[in-house]
Amino acid sequence: EAGVTQFPSHSVIEKGQTVTLRCDPISGHDNLYWYRRVMGKEIKFLLHFVKESKQDESGMPNNRFLAERTGGTYSTLKVQPAELEDSGVYFCASSQDGGRDIQYFGAGTRLSVL
Amino acid sequence: GDSVTQMEGPVTLSEEAFLTINCTYTATGYPSLFWYVQYPGEGLQLLLKATKADDKGSNKGFEATYRKETTSFHLEKGSVQVSDSAVYFCALSGGSSGSARQLTFGSGTQLTVLP
Repeated sequence: EAGVTQFPSHSVIEKGQTVTLRCDPISGHDNLYWYRRVMGKEIKFLLHFVKESKQDESGMPNNRFLAERTGGTYSTLKVQPAELEDSGVYFCASSQDGGRDIQYFGAGTRLSVL
Repeated sequence: GDSVTQMEGPVTLSEEAFLTINCTYTATGYPSLFWYVQYPGEGLQLLLKATKADDKGSNKGFEATYRKETTSFHLEKGSVQVSDSAVYFCALSGGSSGSARQLTFGSGTQLTVLP
């Protein structure tokens, strides 16, 4: 069974450009989460989908970030326009049941904004 | 809100040395506690977890005990190997912040084990 897949693994863009990150969760997992780690600090929660619905987006930093999960399968996280402080590693995770079920993580996308 | 504080790194040990990585948390309610590990070039993997006070999680020789009285979940291993070199993250869920589902992480501890 495939794990959580994220791509690209690394993206380098200039300030002001747009970047779209993609996450494919484990098949059958209704819950999908986005997190990010900035500047080697703690990993912070961004948002949580249950199927195609946003269950909790309290961690989204501002309106330059847009997450979607059309059809309840894969998800995209778009940053538009990107700023220098958006650089970091963006992780996606999925879980089957939610609640206190185990979250399985992808390898992350390293975003560098120059 | 919830928070997790873990030992600053990096930590460098010789093979077969004893490892302790300290982790304390702040949360109301009854959070679940986790240790995740990230090996070079890979995603985060759950190493172990504990869901209630005095529970001990264990896996691959690592152990951590949920101590509610000291709000701690320290990671230990009796004899580390070179292959244990990785970044270790302490985390909690089900506390007071947000939904029961989001994980709150510490800042991570880089461990390097030398042969």
